[in-house]
Amino acid sequence: SAVISQKPSRDICQRGTSLTIQCQVDSQVTMMFWYRQQPGQSLTLIATANQGSEATYESGFVIDKFPISRPNLTFSTLTVSNMSPEDSSIYLCSFRVVDEQYFGPGTRLTVT
Amino acid sequence: SQKIEQNSEALNIQEGKTATLTCNYTNYSPAYLQWYRQDPGRGPVFLLLIRENEKEKRKERLKVTFDTTLKQSLFHITASQPADSATYLCALPMEYGNKLVFGAGTILRVKS
Repeated sequence: SAVISQKPSRDICQRGTSLTIQCQVDSQVTMMFWYRQQPGQSLTLIATANQGSEATYESGFVIDKFPISRPNLTFSTLTVSNMSPEDSSIYLCSFRVVDEQYFGPGTRLTVT
Repeated sequence: SQKIEQNSEALNIQEGKTATLTCNYTNYSPAYLQWYRQDPGRGPVFLLLIRENEKEKRKERLKVTFDTTLKQSLFHITASQPADSATYLCALPMEYGNKLVFGAGTILRVKS
């Protein structure tokens, strides 16, 4: 099965700053998904990223806060901008093969 | 929008027993339902998919049932082992498109 990696695995950031999370897949995938998982809660879909087009954001998430890049079929980045403590969460990238979804190990973000 | 309910309380069982986890959903009936396992500090791992026309699906010690009348799926682990201790998430496709909605998960603890 495909391998999916994320960088950084964790970070502690000051409020008002931005962090860019990288996601790399070892095979080409059409759609990549970015999720957020707050402590003790379910995964919430932030956006869907297709190569060559703008990401599609779910309700409650906007491009200015969570800009996404998808420069090719194996790579994507998610930026968490102008961070506040409420952005402290685990961020996961994901892709799908037929009906199975694969997840990266996650980036644990703490905003102080 | 779809709402998914999983037992919020952890399930504690003795090694060798069968663990049964519940996933209830409201609103529209999905074409399929999935179960994932998530270990601390890791992304979810796909376990099983069951389609709406399937009553039951098995994979090794895992069994999933899907009752579209009750809007419920049961996830069973037979002959449970301490290594089965994890959080188990159910997921359904959104009504439109192929994006997944996740339940909050149930923590399973298997004691030796």
